[in-house]
Amino acid sequence: QKEVEQDPGPLSVPEGAIVSLNCTYSNSAFQYFMWYRQYSRKGPELLMYTYSSGNKEDGRFTAQVDKSSKYISLFIRDSQPSDSATYLCAMKDAGGTSYGKLTFGQGTILTVHP
Amino acid sequence: DAGVTQSPTHLIKTRGQQVTLRCSPKSGHDTVSWYQQALGQGPQFIFQYYEEEERQRGNFPDRFSGHQFPNYSSELNVNALLLGDSALYLCASSQTRAAGNTIYFGEGSWLTVV
Repeated sequence: QKEVEQDPGPLSVPEGAIVSLNCTYSNSAFQYFMWYRQYSRKGPELLMYTYSSGNKEDGRFTAQVDKSSKYISLFIRDSQPSDSATYLCAMKDAGGTSYGKLTFGQGTILTVHP
Repeated sequence: DAGVTQSPTHLIKTRGQQVTLRCSPKSGHDTVSWYQQALGQGPQFIFQYYEEEERQRGNFPDRFSGHQFPNYSSELNVNALLLGDSALYLCASSQTRAAGNTIYFGEGSWLTVV
């Protein structure tokens, strides 16, 4: 079983829709949670970063973490064609020698059509 | 503020050859990690360098080695290339003592082994 599970999709939505992307994880040591956006043949771009359960909002993006269920989500409101990309969830534990070691999900391919 | 820079962008190598990839971290960052991303997959952690030493290593063979220089830049070396080494190689930088330890990625180096 993978430490981080993410549905690869693909997910296709109309412009303006609310998009929900999700990941589950099995390692209870994970304390920091990130969402990256990756355009085709480019490096991952950090979108959201959270370290506690609850919601964090940034513009059209909301990250949600439920540590008791080991479940994280990213919501995109008023989706735009420019949001079409692969969305990667990533996690890391709190410390020790694991500074910066991220464990990624497989990525979800999102297409927003006009 | 320059982000994480990687070179070369693309390269093609023959099976059995050796390759060196280079990375300059984001200004102010002292920690460099390398990831391998196969097509359709999330990035996989190779290793991390801090204070010129390999601090942690993922599940990759000894053919993968690295180095960090006093200016925090880093190299990834892969010996005896296999067809399966074809992937996007990503460099990520972070600051070990910074709160939260946010991690940024470069655009990657596309390696094709033929």
